[in-house]
Amino acid sequence: GENVEQHPSTLSVQEGDSAVIKCTYSDSASNYFPWYKQELGKRPQLIIDIRSNVGEKKDQRIAVTLNKTAKHFSLHITETQPEDSAVYFCAASWGTGFQKLVFGTGTRLLVSP
Amino acid sequence: EPEVTQTPSHQVTQMGQEVILRCVPISNHLYFYWYRQILGQKVEFLVSFYNNEISEKSEIFDDQFSVERPDGSNFTLKIRSTKLEDSAMYFCASKRRDSSYEQYFGPGTRLTVT
Repeated sequence: GENVEQHPSTLSVQEGDSAVIKCTYSDSASNYFPWYKQELGKRPQLIIDIRSNVGEKKDQRIAVTLNKTAKHFSLHITETQPEDSAVYFCAASWGTGFQKLVFGTGTRLLVSP
Repeated sequence: EPEVTQTPSHQVTQMGQEVILRCVPISNHLYFYWYRQILGQKVEFLVSFYNNEISEKSEIFDDQFSVERPDGSNFTLKIRSTKLEDSAMYFCASKRRDSSYEQYFGPGTRLTVT
């Protein structure tokens, strides 16, 4: 079945620095790649997603890139702020219908002031 | 903006007891899911539900688990005889229609089995 690996497991940066989190997936049929931010005790919140027909997507300080050939995708956060501190999960799915999300293991991002 | 809701927020039960976790998906959504997250671990898929039947279930979703949509709004997850290892956060999610991708998550129910 589908497997998603995520690195690093923890990431500490100074406020204003950039942060990059990387994921690889196993199923070449996957065509939808969302990123979720989860604060302690809260629900996963979708922050950005990308479909397989797009190589890059940007929304203000966050961006996601997808390399279908290498089967990996990355989350980029620029100008990090303390409120970006959370656990970030990548996921993969084959998109429409009832298809499930397969999550990565999560990255704990700590942004120090 | 409509949201998925879940009740209760926290459930404490004794091993061997039955629990029912409740979810109200977003009203025009067609696909419903349960996921669980053991403390400090990743979110794991349990089951998907569409058109009043299970579409897919994971190996975690054994005979102790069942799902139901008893009316037009609620979506429930029942665990018949809870085990210590069932302690986790359980998230309900829903998705709008065939051509949509995004799943919307509820706030979760923290289940503690003692």
